[in-house]
Amino acid sequence: AQSVTQLDSQVPVFEEAPVELRCNYSSSVSVYLFWYVQYPNQGLQLLLKYLSGSTLVKGINGFEAEFNKSQTSFHLRKPSVHISDTAEYFCAVSAGTGGFKTIFGAGTRLFVKA
Amino acid sequence: DTAVSQTPKYLVTQMGNDKSIKCEQNLGHDTMYWYKQDSKKFLKIMFSYNNKELIINETVPNRFSPKSPDKAHLNLHINSLELGDSAVYFCASSQDPVQGEAFFGQGTRLTVV
Repeated sequence: AQSVTQLDSQVPVFEEAPVELRCNYSSSVSVYLFWYVQYPNQGLQLLLKYLSGSTLVKGINGFEAEFNKSQTSFHLRKPSVHISDTAEYFCAVSAGTGGFKTIFGAGTRLFVKA
Repeated sequence: DTAVSQTPKYLVTQMGNDKSIKCEQNLGHDTMYWYKQDSKKFLKIMFSYNNKELIINETVPNRFSPKSPDKAHLNLHINSLELGDSAVYFCASSQDPVQGEAFFGQGTRLTVV
């Protein structure tokens, strides 16, 4: 079975500073990895996903993530954050076999301060 | 033109009541889900349907019964509501349940008093 661990429950950061949100996963089979963002009182929306190929994945709103198989990590980064990036961020994993079940991490609250 | 829509958005009810949440998607996806998000934002899958058939039931109490009348709809009926059922319930859909993006509704905030 697969699992996802988001290492930080909250990340406060000043506007225009870089940020990294950490995600580690475990799985006995090949995985597909996702980052979603949830703004207040809204549903989740996809930021980016890794299926195969290049380990550096670029997403919307200037976010990118790097898949590291040896460290079983998929950390999300942004070089310069804005106030509007304040939201909850979820890392998720879907197994290569068996499907129909995407497992989400506990979420990281990114709080961007002026 | 909302892709995944849920109704109602807010639901306040007393313990012991029965309530339903409706979900519709206009994306033509084959797979639909119900997720529960608790007060700590933890998101847990409850059910997964593919082409109107139940694929996953994640140890959810029998009081929760999903119904999929067609591929575009997945409703959730809850009997004998308990305080612990208070949460935000999200409906989602995807075309590819393994590699594809899940599209989420806005959520239904259920409060049981």
